[in-house]
Amino acid sequence: GQQVMQIPQYQHVQEGEDFTTYCNSSTTLSNIQWYKQRPGGHPVFLIQLVKSGEVKKQKRLTFQFGEAKKNSSLHITATQTTDVGTYFCHGGNYGGSQGNLIFGKGTKLSVKP
Amino acid sequence: DAGITQSPRHKVTETGTPVTLRCHQTENHRYMYWYRQDPGHGLRLIHYSYGVKDTDKGEVSDGYSVSRSKTEDFLLTLESATSSQTSVYFCATGGDGRRTDTQYFGPGTRLTVL
Repeated sequence: GQQVMQIPQYQHVQEGEDFTTYCNSSTTLSNIQWYKQRPGGHPVFLIQLVKSGEVKKQKRLTFQFGEAKKNSSLHITATQTTDVGTYFCHGGNYGGSQGNLIFGKGTKLSVKP
Repeated sequence: DAGITQSPRHKVTETGTPVTLRCHQTENHRYMYWYRQDPGHGLRLIHYSYGVKDTDKGEVSDGYSVSRSKTEDFLLTLESATSSQTSVYFCATGGDGRRTDTQYFGPGTRLTVL
């Protein structure tokens, strides 16, 4: 079945350092979404990518969707303590009557001030 | 955040007892989902619904049942709770399109089965 692998599982950085998490799918995706979950909180939608090679930015966050639509990345420039949390990718496939989608297991980011 | 509430927010129960968790939305979203979240496993889909009385299984549906009699309510039932069902349960809702639309999550229910 479809699998979405996310790496790394954990990342510890010093405040001000950059951070990147990668999401890789075993099949071609129709879209990919990124979510952030703060400690003790619930996942919150960040962004959706649909087009091959798409790049979107939100302040210090840069999201990319691979040309083959099988991988994606989230890059944070100059991390801050407010970036702490777990980042999930969510791969979607339009196949079938209802579509299909699966979450990566997430990358837990800790930031040392 | 979308108007999604979950009840109860915390529950402690004993093995073998039935448990029902409720998800209520005010957004009129077509899709509703139940996930469980456990350390090392991320978010795993239990069941989802694509309309009133229309439900389907997710990847970890054994031991769980769901019902959706109204657009705004999605119930998750553990017929006979087991310790392996101790987890944090999240409800989510989506738009009117496919399952691949953006999802909005509720605050979660922390369930402990002793």
